[in-house]
Parts: sequence; structure tokens; C-alpha cells
Amino acid sequence: ETGVTQSPTHLIKTRGQQVTLRCSSQSGHNTVSWYQQALGQGPQFIFQYYREEENGRGNFPPRFSGLQFPNYSSELNVNALELDDSALYLCASSLSAGGREQYFGPGTRLTVT
Amino acid sequence: SQQGEEDPQALSIQEGENATMNCSYKTSINNLQWYRQNSGRGLVHLILIRSNEREKHSGRLRVTLDTSKKSSSLLITASRAADTASYFCATDDDYKLSFGAGTTVTVRA
Repeated sequence: ETGVTQSPTHLIKTRGQQVTLRCSSQSGHNTVSWYQQALGQGPQFIFQYYREEENGRGNFPPRFSGLQFPNYSSELNVNALELDDSALYLCASSLSAGGREQYFGPGTRLTVT
Repeated sequence: SQQGEEDPQALSIQEGENATMNCSYKTSINNLQWYRQNSGRGLVHLILIRSNEREKHSGRLRVTLDTSKKSSSLLITASRAADTASYFCATDDDYKLSFGAGTTVTVRA
């Protein structure tokens, strides 16, 4: 088990609603990345936060937004939920912003109905 | 779009046998990493191989990298039931990992 935690574990939302997912990074890590994993697929990079600033973004619309706090924990916010947003959302922390070894949390399973 | 593509998509082997899976990628890389995922949970880092390395070992894992062919392989020797999982290769650039769709390995007792 890594030291990365995510909450909640599971979540069911209705199309059009908004959701906030939370992640606590491993001790000493200042970088958090978020990934979306659809069923049967590999994780897709959403964005990365390094020292409270967005450091890079994947091909996701602006309704996916995030925050990183001074203690390096992070939130992923998704507005105007769509059915295709149903997925496992993974948070990963790392020692630096470079693409090094990342430590993943257990994920949040989001279902949009 | 995904950078890496694993092959095969699924693999079923007997306990004690070796499992080999391959990964191809499209653009030049800094490093290539392999991760394991059990039953839709979080990913666990297995091994990182740098672009100037050709082979790396970690316990029962052996990874090779051929940058001229833009491919990598992961060998798990003497497989165990606990090795049942999905395995992903990921290329990394300055800030993100790009994953393939994974190989699902089932180890039969």
C-alpha cells in the first residue's frame, strides 16, 4: 500500500451534477497527478499540480478542474457531469514534477446515472 | 490517445510458468515504466527503465527496452496466483504518464 489516500471510495451522481474528489499525497511528495480510467482501458492523464500550481493538462474539457493545497493534498472537481464521466479516478503523488515513479491511491469509482 | 499498446490483451498461464507481455509506443521517451493493477484498484509501480538501458531486473521481473523498435517487454518468471492482475506500460515525459490499455494476466493454480 502506498501512502496516498482518496475519498470517497465510491460515488453515484446524476447527469448535470457536480462532484469533488479528494486526495492526500504521500508524505514528502509535492506533486499530485489525476487520471481517469474507463472500464477496460488504461488511465488517461487529466492534469498535474506541482506546489499548488497546475503543471500540465491532458485532453480534458475545462469542466474538469483541480486544486492543490499548501499541505499538497488535492481536489478534482467535475462540473456538469456526463454519463461518459463514469470511471475510476486515480490520484498519484510523486517527489517532483518530472515524470518519475508515481504512487497511486486506491481510486474513487464514480458512476453517473 | 494512448502512447503505449500492450500485447497480448489477455494471458492465462499455469502457476509456475513464465508470463511475457509486450509494449509498443509511438514517440521517443525519457523512461518507460511498468505498473500492476489488481481488480480495478490503484496502480503499483513495478519497474522503471531509462531510455539508455536495455535490460533491468527486479526480483522475478525482467524488463527489456528496444528504443530502435520502440518496444519493451515484461517477463514474470515462476508465476504465482498473486500475480493475477492487469499490467500496464507507461511512457513518461516531463510531467505525465501515458498508459496503454494493459494486459490482463490470469495465473491458474
